[in-house]
Amino acid sequence: DVKVTQSSRYLVKRTGEKVFLECVQDMDHENMFWYRQDPGLGLRLIYFSYDVKMKEKGDIPEGYSVSREKKERFSLILESASTNQTSMYLCASAPTVWTGSTYTQYFGPGTRLTVL
Amino acid sequence: DAKTTQPPSMDCAEGRAANLPCNHSTISGNEYVYWYRQIHSQGPQYIIHGLKNNETNEMASLIITEDRKSSTLILPHATLRDTAVYYCIVSTFATGANSKLTFGKGITLSVRP
Repeated sequence: DVKVTQSSRYLVKRTGEKVFLECVQDMDHENMFWYRQDPGLGLRLIYFSYDVKMKEKGDIPEGYSVSREKKERFSLILESASTNQTSMYLCASAPTVWTGSTYTQYFGPGTRLTVL
Repeated sequence: DAKTTQPPSMDCAEGRAANLPCNHSTISGNEYVYWYRQIHSQGPQYIIHGLKNNETNEMASLIITEDRKSSTLILPHATLRDTAVYYCIVSTFATGANSKLTFGKGITLSVRP
């Protein structure tokens, strides 16, 4: 079974702090995602990576950056945490697919971040 | 915007079958139907997917109508641990950040003892 792990389940940080959220997957997937989930807004994509050192912005990248130095690890960085970044952060991974193939993402347990 | 419509909630008795409906009337020929669920305070979990044939795995069955405009996820013997929000998603091949999943509001299934 695919396993996606996230470094913390719960995290409390102060405004202005630099925050690192880490995600590790063990299935050699090329693609990794960072989403945030807020009540009434569903899942929103922050950043996506399709290979080591490669990244693409998602729908809401402002205030975030990412790092992918190794295939199995995808880090989300909040450069200067703000209260509006209080949210549930979800990491996902998926294999590369080709036209006509199916596409399944596997999610980690999530990190609930509170910024005070 | 999500391409699917689901009722907001439903309940069923433990041990009975739970039939969760989903409408996707604008689905195109190359789009698959996926079902995920999210148990409270956990990440979404993949359940099953299908194109046009009915599918079954160890978790559930997926029934897709012949015109593919709707589908039903069936949990044959619901347990209390199946209480969760269930998301029906239609998706096709995409590259890059467009391969993101778009979750709607889902349907909240409550399994009662």
